[in-house]
Amino acid sequence: NAGVTQTPKFRVLKTGQSMTLLCAQDMNHEYMYWYRQDPGMGLRLIHYSVGEGTTAKGEVPDGYNVSRLKKQNFLLGLESAAPSQTSVYFCASSVGEGPETQYFGPGTRLLVL
Amino acid sequence: GQNIDQPTEMTATEGAIVQINCTYQTSGFNGLFWYQQHAGEAPTFLSYNVLDGLEEKGRFSSFLSRSKGYSYLLLKELQMKDSASYLCAVRDSNYQLIWGAGTKLIIKP
Repeated sequence: NAGVTQTPKFRVLKTGQSMTLLCAQDMNHEYMYWYRQDPGMGLRLIHYSVGEGTTAKGEVPDGYNVSRLKKQNFLLGLESAAPSQTSVYFCASSVGEGPETQYFGPGTRLLVL
Repeated sequence: GQNIDQPTEMTATEGAIVQINCTYQTSGFNGLFWYQQHAGEAPTFLSYNVLDGLEEKGRFSSFLSRSKGYSYLLLKELQMKDSASYLCAVRDSNYQLIWGAGTKLIIKP
């Protein structure tokens, strides 16, 4: 039982390049989330999904797209990376919206030059 | 707007007790979470409060007052491994988690 995994762990991009971050969970959770974490700021929700085939915008969705084609996977795409997207990206999953906690992946450190 | 306030940094001594405060202003309230995050790692769940009062879990306790928009996390018998950031998060009326910036706790021998 690996929990939540993220690929890659670290990536350097040049401005304008594209990339996809992969999140996978093996807990059969319905809900999945993508956050970014920047120094001095709280985690900010980018996009989330309440089930296979569904996605919704969070607090800071601009510049990102997501897909949830399979229940266990949640992909975050950057079509044209910008230096402002330099951040640590965390994926999380949860059973639902109740008191259940969110389980986080180890994070992806992205540097956009 | 929605806001979660926590002290940026706190220092405490090994073996002592420390209280980390969190005040919030959110559109609705559906529970408050505390997470621990060691440097370079993912946040991990510590506690959940939805009703007023104290929830105790080993060396950690969390208190909530909904009328005051206030919570605290109490850590007893501090150990060096407790050096980490502590994140307060509130679930709002849309069931989204609104996160504070975290409190970095430094434990000194």
